[in-house]
Amino acid sequence: GIQVEQSPPDLILQEGANSTLRCNFSDSVNNLQWFHQNPWGQLINLFYIPSGTKQNGRLSATTVATERYSLLYISSSQTTDSGVYFCAASPYNTDKLIFGTGTRLQVFP
Amino acid sequence: DAGVTQSPTHLIKTRGQQVTLRCSPKSGHDTVSWYQQALGQGPQFIFQYYEEEERQRGNFPDRFSGHQYPNYSSELNVNALLLGDSALYLCASSSFRGAGDTQYFGPGTRLTVL
Repeated sequence: GIQVEQSPPDLILQEGANSTLRCNFSDSVNNLQWFHQNPWGQLINLFYIPSGTKQNGRLSATTVATERYSLLYISSSQTTDSGVYFCAASPYNTDKLIFGTGTRLQVFP
Repeated sequence: DAGVTQSPTHLIKTRGQQVTLRCSPKSGHDTVSWYQQALGQGPQFIFQYYEEEERQRGNFPDRFSGHQYPNYSSELNVNALLLGDSALYLCASSSFRGAGDTQYFGPGTRLTVL
């Protein structure tokens, strides 16, 4: 089955810094989503981005489907950005999301 | 517009017992998927329900079963609980379009098996 890998596993930043999170997937996908999981476990949708580029405030994401990777950019990070960021992908003809192992982000003031 | 809701929030059971978790999908959604998230790991797909039938299933034993009602709400049942079933159980809803739609997650039910 499809494999989803995320890097780096851990990231420590000072407030105001920028960061890039990477997600590699091993096969073609029809769904690629980025989530932020808060300390209470809630998975918050950031982007639905099987291909192309999207921006939402300080966050943006790019997926290059032909090269099987996606990037999540966080600019001017804030302490509220702390948490675990997951990338998840669905293989073609299925709806099940395969999650990566996540990137744990800690932003300090 | 109500999002995905789940109940209960927390649950404590002992080994061998049975548990039922509930999920109401986001308004306008007709498909419900269930995921298990063990501590420190990413969520793992259990199964998906559409039109009151199980459409897809992940690599989970038959102790895990589900149901979907005509109003699209869903239940996850786990029989003969094991210590290893302790996890956060997440429900996600979407609109069925064959494949590839955005999935929205509920707040989860944290199950502890003693």
